Amino acid sequence: SQTIHQWPATLVQPVGSPLSLECTVEGTSNPNLYWYRQAAGRGLQLLFYSVGIGQISSEVPQNLSASRPQDRQFILSSKKLLLSDSGFYLCAWRSGGSTDTQYFGPGTRLTVL
Amino acid sequence: AQTVTQSQPEMSVQEAETVTLSCTYDTSESNYYLFWYKQPPSRQMILVIRQEAYKQQNATENRFSVNFQKAAKSFSLKISDSQLGDTAMYFCAFRTNFGNEKLTFGTGTRLTIIP
Repeated sequence: SQTIHQWPATLVQPVGSPLSLECTVEGTSNPNLYWYRQAAGRGLQLLFYSVGIGQISSEVPQNLSASRPQDRQFILSSKKLLLSDSGFYLCAWRSGGSTDTQYFGPGTRLTVL
Repeated sequence: AQTVTQSQPEMSVQEAETVTLSCTYDTSESNYYLFWYKQPPSRQMILVIRQEAYKQQNATENRFSVNFQKAAKSFSLKISDSQLGDTAMYFCAFRTNFGNEKLTFGTGTRLTIIP
């Protein structure tokens, strides 16, 4: 069965520091991968998606970037964090075939102070 | 652009009762997917139920069922025999069958099951 991992689970970072969040998927190959952000009390907003290694599409201009160095690895980064980057970050992968559904990882809670 | 509206920010119901959560959406497309996700206090998003727009039959998953009204662009979730573990935020989401296939989410309904 497929499993999606995210780490770290919780992160507190000062303004201006760098960021690296990692997402890995097991049990599937060549998945579509997605990064979402959830601000407090709100729904999810798509940040980036990837259909393959090195292929990244950005949905919203922002202080963040994404990379996909391996088939089942998706990384969210920032060179200098802003207060507004605080939130809950969720990685998702999309199955194909008959179910064709996005499944989410456990998330990372990021607080920028 | 697609939009998803959940007009009930909070709801509460007694354990074992039935509750219905509302969702409306706006799109000009004819082929799409609708989802209900549950987000418990752990904050992991868990798929509850999925509906394909071309299917007229309403989806069901055990105690969870939907009322899909395509013409009215309505997609409500019914939870029967509610349980304490159903306490969570519930998000309605829409996905087209084209482009990046991103999920567009509503703002959520906080559901509390009262013992």
